[in-house]
Amino acid sequence: KNQVEQSPQSLIILEGKNCTLQCNYTVSPFSNLRWYKQDTGRGPVSLTIMTFSENTKSNGRYTATLDADTKQSSLHITASQLSDSASYICVVTPSSGYALNFGKGTSLLVTP
Amino acid sequence: KAGVTQTPRYLIKTRGQQVTLSCSPISGHRSVSWYQQTPGQGLQFLFEYFSETQRNKGNFPGRFSGRQFSNSRSEMNVSTLELGDSALYLCASSSSGGATNTGELFFGEGSRLTVL
Repeated sequence: KNQVEQSPQSLIILEGKNCTLQCNYTVSPFSNLRWYKQDTGRGPVSLTIMTFSENTKSNGRYTATLDADTKQSSLHITASQLSDSASYICVVTPSSGYALNFGKGTSLLVTP
Repeated sequence: KAGVTQTPRYLIKTRGQQVTLSCSPISGHRSVSWYQQTPGQGLQFLFEYFSETQRNKGNFPGRFSGRQFSNSRSEMNVSTLELGDSALYLCASSSSGGATNTGELFFGEGSRLTVL
């Protein structure tokens, strides 16, 4: 069973609207949680990195939150743009061992 | 500053053949990690190299191997290719000792392998 689950699997929103993507994980203990944006046919690009002790991290219109008690993270996108159309991947790094745990991503489509 | 460079970008092989993919990290980065990405499984960690030594390995068969050179460039090799090896292979470099800490990973554009 995947230790990182993302929802929704896909999402369509109108340009200018806000949206929130969810990441639930069971990896414990963990050292950090990352969100990546991956455009079609390109490599992932880092949006935010949060340690287990951080609650929120922003990068422009992207804001990630982390609740270590409930093992949930969310990525909020404000005032969406067409260029936000991409796959968003949640990654959890365990404290011991290595195996980065990847979610399968949320595919976001922003329409005019 | 140049990013992570992967070559080739696209390649087609047939079952049973072997393939070698190359990754040049960002200058000064000593950690290189490799990942396989498929529509069904998403991203999966293959292995990580740091200063020419393999530090960690994911749950892949021995047909998947890699190495890192003294200039930090890395190669991965897949022998006896199977149809299921068709995927996007990504490498990432990191400056701060690898991806197990808060060090940021910088990904290349990937090598898309198709096995016929």
